[in-house]
This record gives sequence, C-alpha cells and structure tokens, in this order.
Amino acid sequence: EIVLTQSPGTLSLSPGERATLSCRASQSVTSRFLTWYQQKPGQAPRLLIYGASTRATGIPDRFSGSGSGTDFTLSISRLEPEDFAVYYCQQYGSSRTFGQGTKVEIK
Amino acid sequence: EVQLLESGGGLVEPGGSLRLSCAASGFTFSSFAMSWVRQAPGKGLEWVSSINYSGGTTYYADSVQGRFTLSRDNSKNTVDLQMNSLRAEDTAVYYCAREDNYVWGSSRPYYGMDVWGQGTTVTVSS
Repeated sequence: EIVLTQSPGTLSLSPGERATLSCRASQSVTSRFLTWYQQKPGQAPRLLIYGASTRATGIPDRFSGSGSGTDFTLSISRLEPEDFAVYYCQQYGSSRTFGQGTKVEIK
Repeated sequence: EVQLLESGGGLVEPGGSLRLSCAASGFTFSSFAMSWVRQAPGKGLEWVSSINYSGGTTYYADSVQGRFTLSRDNSKNTVDLQMNSLRAEDTAVYYCAREDNYVWGSSRPYYGMDVWGQGTTVTVSS
C-alpha cells in the first residue's frame, strides 16, 4: 500500500500570502493518479486538482499543483479568506489512499 | 442537479451490522465508479471501498476487508455498503462519492472523486 505523508501538519499564514503544501509518497506514484481535495469544517471534501496539476471545474487559478514520482506540491498563490481549510492528497490504485491532511489556518 | 444522498447511519453495538445506502441523481449513474470514504471524529479522510461502473469489480481497504461488502443497483441508482462485525474504530462520518471509472491502461488522468454526499454518521458503541 502506498502511504502519502503530507507536510506541514499545519500552516499558519495571512490572507494574501502564498501557501505551499507537500505530499510525499512511500513509492513512486504516476502523476496522472494524484489528486488534491479541500475540506472545510462540517463539509464534505471538494475536488481541487487531478492528474497532479489540472484544476477541477470551477477551481480558481490561484490553486496549482505540480510534482512527479514521490514528491507533489499544492500551491495557493494568494490566500483568500475562503481558502483556510484542510487539504488532502490522494493517490489512485486498486487501493486508494489519502494523506493525513494539511490544515491551512489564519495567522 | 447532481446529488448524492446517504442514509442508514446510526448507533450500533460492537459486533453488530449496519447497511448504508447512497442514492444518486442528476447524472448517468451507470457511467461512474462509486466510493465510500470515512472520517473518524477529528481525523483525516480514509478510503473505505470502491465499486466500478457495472458492479463487477470491488475494492476494499485492508481495515474493512472481509467485514464490509459494497454493491450497486444501476436500475435504482443506488450503492450500498453492508457493514458487519462493526468495531469501535469504524465510528466515523461515511461519505459516498462519485468516482471516475478509470480504465487501466488509459493514458488520460484519473479524474478523482468529484461529487460527494453530505455524509452519514456511524457510531459503534455499547
């Protein structure tokens, strides 16, 4: 089973700042199988990025994804108030797995 | 409107059984895989199980293999998760999600889980 480790656990930033979130896999992941989700308190997750770098429908262009192999990154160029949430990476396979999440909180 | 509506959650004693159901509407149900993802209180997301578009292939997390069974009825646009031998660690909010029915060998990306229900709560406690 592929284990995804996200870092940092919590990121404390101010609105307007840039956020950089990391997702590291225990073994190589084909980039087209790497997705990112956002979850706000009391809500279901929302798909942000698929194929490591393609934004899902309706996702603002301040969100971007990159990476390959075992190292993937989600970046938010300028944090808006609605972006403070928990972010999860996920890999696809016969056994799907999620990272443990990174919380982006207001500093 | 594309929608998923879960039902069937509740309080059950350890060792008991529960059946969750997810009703889909607003899209061609039989074209998509479906998955269940759970979230224990204060914890992260955990994939539980997935079923392909036809119901012919199912996948399970190791933590539920042999105890949970996933099935779907494309005539009713529903997917059901039968949960047996429940344990305290199964306590969670269970989300139903529409998943890309990715075909292995394809060169396109996996499109992810793009539609989610609001979740149903399962509590396993005596």
